[in-house]
Amino acid sequence: AQSVTQLGSHVSVSEGALVLLRCNYSSSVPPYLFWYVQYPNQGLQLLLKYTTGATLVKGINGFEAEFKKSETSFHLTKPSAHMSDAAEYFCAVRGLQGAQKLVFGQGTRLTINP
Amino acid sequence: DSGVTQTPKHLITATGQRVTLRCSPRSGDLSVYWYQQSLDQGLQFLIQYYNGEERAKGNILERFSAQQFPDLHSELNLSSLELGDSALYFCASSVLTTGELFFGEGSRLTVL
Repeated sequence: AQSVTQLGSHVSVSEGALVLLRCNYSSSVPPYLFWYVQYPNQGLQLLLKYTTGATLVKGINGFEAEFKKSETSFHLTKPSAHMSDAAEYFCAVRGLQGAQKLVFGQGTRLTINP
Repeated sequence: DSGVTQTPKHLITATGQRVTLRCSPRSGDLSVYWYQQSLDQGLQFLIQYYNGEERAKGNILERFSAQQFPDLHSELNLSSLELGDSALYFCASSVLTTGELFFGEGSRLTVL
């Protein structure tokens, strides 16, 4: 069974600083990995995904994530935070076999300080 | 706009009542998923349908049921509601080849 652990339920950074949101996964098969963002009173929006190929994945709004199989990690980064990045971020995993549902982490709330 | 439509956006009801949440997937997507989001449980997978058939079941209570109709829209029925059922219920549809889900804006259920 797949599972996801997001380290830190709350992360606070200054505007212009590096954003790093941590995600570790557990999967018995090669995973598909995703980061979603949820703004207040909205649904989840896909930021980026890793399926196969290049392990450094670029997404929308300047975010990127690197799949590290040896560390079972898929951390999300952005070089320079913007006030509009304040939101909740979810990491998710889906195995290639069996149920095609996504298993989500508990989420990390990102706060940007001016 | 994800292309997934959910109604109603907000619903307030009393304990013991029954409600129905509706979801229309993106055009061409055959698979529909239901998730429950609450403060204490996070995003919990409830159930998945594919082209009208139940494909996978998660932490869905027996008081809850769902179905997917021939036109591919789906309904989630919640009955004998309890205070703890208050949550945001999301529907999503998927591109099966890559697995990403496209989420609707959710239906916020408040049980008083």
